[in-house]
Amino acid sequence: LAKTTQPISMDSYEGQEVNITCSHNNIATNDYITWYQQFPSQGPRFIIQGYKTKVTNEVASLFIPADRKSSTLSLPRVSLSDTAVYYCLVGDEPGNTPLVFGKGTRLSVIA
Amino acid sequence: DADVTQTPRNRITKTGKRIMLECSQTKGHDRMYWYRQDPGLGLRLIYYSFDVKDINKGEISDGYSVSRQAQAKFSLSLESAIPNQTALYFCATSDLRTGNTIYFGEGSWLTVV
Repeated sequence: LAKTTQPISMDSYEGQEVNITCSHNNIATNDYITWYQQFPSQGPRFIIQGYKTKVTNEVASLFIPADRKSSTLSLPRVSLSDTAVYYCLVGDEPGNTPLVFGKGTRLSVIA
Repeated sequence: DADVTQTPRNRITKTGKRIMLECSQTKGHDRMYWYRQDPGLGLRLIYYSFDVKDINKGEISDGYSVSRQAQAKFSLSLESAIPNQTALYFCATSDLRTGNTIYFGEGSWLTVV
């Protein structure tokens, strides 16, 4: 299983763009990069997934450089409700190897 | 109604007691998982099952057992609960189509005293 490294915590003010970078130096050729969001006392929920370059959806953008050894989750104009823990995971599709969650990045959005 | 339902949602039990956490899903997924989360920490995989006849250990299976009674049901047992098994437990599901998108239940808080 490829391991990931991400910052333990980040703070941001409301309205700012937040970028959370994740390192996955040992990512395999058939691995995808998936990000989850977890609010307190709730199960994580899927945010976004990508393989290379850039992926955007209604919640976030995911930037993946050509070497795929890192990725950046970008949250545009965060609000207080974006305060959560964000997990970066790598795994093959269609998920034949169960995802391993690390400690994630605790994002605190301040008014 | 939740697609992935866990029961009980909260339970306090005594050291040495047997406790079962149950999970049922209406998503029609064939893959089910049990994760554990300790306060301030990430999730750790306990067991997973890719179909009814398949059971696999995860990162921290010691002290736990599971049963996949049907495609929609996956239960986690603590045969003899100990205080360091106090945690928030999550059941999750996925299938070949959803891949790395897995769907979590609401969690079960277990306190062992």
